[in-house]
Amino acid sequence: DVKVTQSSRYLVKRTGEKVFLECVQDMDHENMFWYRQDPGLGLRLIYFSYDVKMKEKGDIPEGYSVSREKKERFSLILESASTNQTSMYLCATAWGVNTGELFFGEGSRLTVL
Amino acid sequence: GQQVMQIPQYQHVQEGEDFTTYCNSSTTLSNIQWYKQRPGGHPVFLIQLVKSGEVKKQKRLTFQFGEAKKNSSLHITATQTTDVGTYFCAPTTSGTYKYIFGTGTRLKVLA
Repeated sequence: DVKVTQSSRYLVKRTGEKVFLECVQDMDHENMFWYRQDPGLGLRLIYFSYDVKMKEKGDIPEGYSVSREKKERFSLILESASTNQTSMYLCATAWGVNTGELFFGEGSRLTVL
Repeated sequence: GQQVMQIPQYQHVQEGEDFTTYCNSSTTLSNIQWYKQRPGGHPVFLIQLVKSGEVKKQKRLTFQFGEAKKNSSLHITATQTTDVGTYFCAPTTSGTYKYIFGTGTRLKVLA
């Protein structure tokens, strides 16, 4: 079974802090994704990566950056956290391009005070 | 950019009633996937549709892809309490690695 592990289930940070959310997968998948999920808005794509050191902006990249130094690890970075970034963050991986199913991690619930 | 509307946003049904959620795109799709997210859980893949007019069934769930490949539906026959959750469509268009999601339909089943 594919395992997608997110480093923290719950985080509480203060406005202005730098936040790292890490995601590790064990299935050698090329594609990795970061989404945020908010009530009524569904899942919105922040960034994705289709190869090591490659990254592409999703629909809401503002205020976020990512890092993919190794194939199995995809990190989401909030350089200066703000209260409107309080959300559930979901990491996902996929083998195929447009055709492979997404496998999700358990999610990281971030609260910014 | 691509717009994906999913309706309804919420649906409450009595156990045993049927349920349908619809996903509509402004652009022609390559394929569409459906996911289910249980309360407190993460989205889990249900199925993928690729062909125009395709219909697939999984027990009480019927998935359909429109002839023009711009819309899709998920129908549940005789809902059960285990069907509770949020159902998302995730359409893709050719030439992009992006997986985007509809806004989801939250289903509650009253016993």
